Order: sequence, then C-alpha cells, then structure tokens
Amino acid sequence: KAGVTQTPRYLIKTRGQQVTLSCSPISGHRSVSWYQQTPGQGLQFLFEYFSETQRNKGNFPGRFSGRQFSNSRSEMNVSTLELGDSALYLCASSPWTGRPGELFFGEGSRLTVL
Amino acid sequence: QKEVEQDPGPLSVPEGAIVSLNCTYSNSAFQYFMWYRQYSRKGPELLMYTYSSGNKEDGRFTAQVDKSSKYISLFIRDSQPSDSATYLCAMSVNAGGTSYGKLTFGQGTILTVHP
Repeated sequence: KAGVTQTPRYLIKTRGQQVTLSCSPISGHRSVSWYQQTPGQGLQFLFEYFSETQRNKGNFPGRFSGRQFSNSRSEMNVSTLELGDSALYLCASSPWTGRPGELFFGEGSRLTVL
Repeated sequence: QKEVEQDPGPLSVPEGAIVSLNCTYSNSAFQYFMWYRQYSRKGPELLMYTYSSGNKEDGRFTAQVDKSSKYISLFIRDSQPSDSATYLCAMSVNAGGTSYGKLTFGQGTILTVHP
C-alpha cells in the first residue's frame, strides 16, 4: 500500500510569491491534515479536511488556505509569501475512523522563502 | 505558555541505556496521547498510542500517562543506535468525534544513541 505522497519535495520562492503544495493520501483514507514544522515553533496544525470540507483550522493567517478534492487528494496554498513561511510542510492522512490522532505522514515539502 | 511542554534535550546516551522522555500538558480536555518518532528528512511515524492513565508496553517501548498530574512519558529500554531520532509527544481532544487529525505536539527531543 503506497504511503502519503507530497509534491514537490523541495521548492524555493521569493517574498510576495505564492505557492501550492499537493498531497495524495493513503488509498481509502478520507481525511487529510496539514502541519507546518519549524525549528522554533515545532509542529503546528494548519487545517484538517474530510469529505472536501474543512473540519478544523489552526491559528494561521488567511494567507494559508487549502482544499480537498473528491478523490481525497488535497492542496494547500500560501499567498504573499514571507520569510517566516520557510518551513517543512507535512501532510498526514487518516481514515476518519478508528483512533483519533493516528496519522500517517508524508515526507513533507520543504519551502524556502528568499 | 504552550499547551504541551516537552523536555527539550537533546539527549545522548550509550547503547543499551534506558531513555526517559517526558511531556507535561495544561489542557485537561486532551483524551488521546501519542508518541511519534521522526527520523532525519522523514515525516513523523506513530510509535505509541494511549488514551487512559497507566502504562502501555510494546517491545522495548513503554508509554506512561498520568492524567491527574497531566504528565506523559516514554521509556525506551536497551536503546539501540537505530533509535536515534526526534521523539515528539502529541495529544488530541477529538470531542464528539469532530477531529481525527488535529494534534498538539510538543517541541520534540532529539535522541542520539551511540555505540
């Protein structure tokens, strides 16, 4: 069974640009969550999607947005990039049943903002 | 003050040592407690999962939860160089089944086990 796939793995952007990151969950998993990981703040929850609906949102500005498609694949977008947005963005999937918090993470998309 | 505080480390121990990793939390609504392990340049992977006070053992790993003290621990026995990784405690509320993916993580502890 294939794991969670995130693309692109690495990208470099400049301030003011926007970026779109993609996540394909494990087959059969209907929930996708996104996290930002930085050395200073650690892993922080961005948002969670289930059945194409945002179910929960973390404390991030409106520049951070996401969506989920009918095949459960998800994208997140960051507009007007700032230097502080440099981070590892992790996507995680779960079946939305069973054990809450049991997440399967991808390897992440590492964003560098110059 | 953060909802979840994790002893920062880093920790460096010899092979075979017993390792103790700890987190405290302030939100009494947390119901589910996890330890994730993250190797360098990889995503976190679930290591231990508990939802009640007490101990849970899985091989060389023991997870301990004390809800009255708002304290969780992970013990690693007979540590191996392959255990070298970042260990993250994580907690979830999931009130009414409204969230399966919203976790609050500790800062992580970098563990190095040297031969």
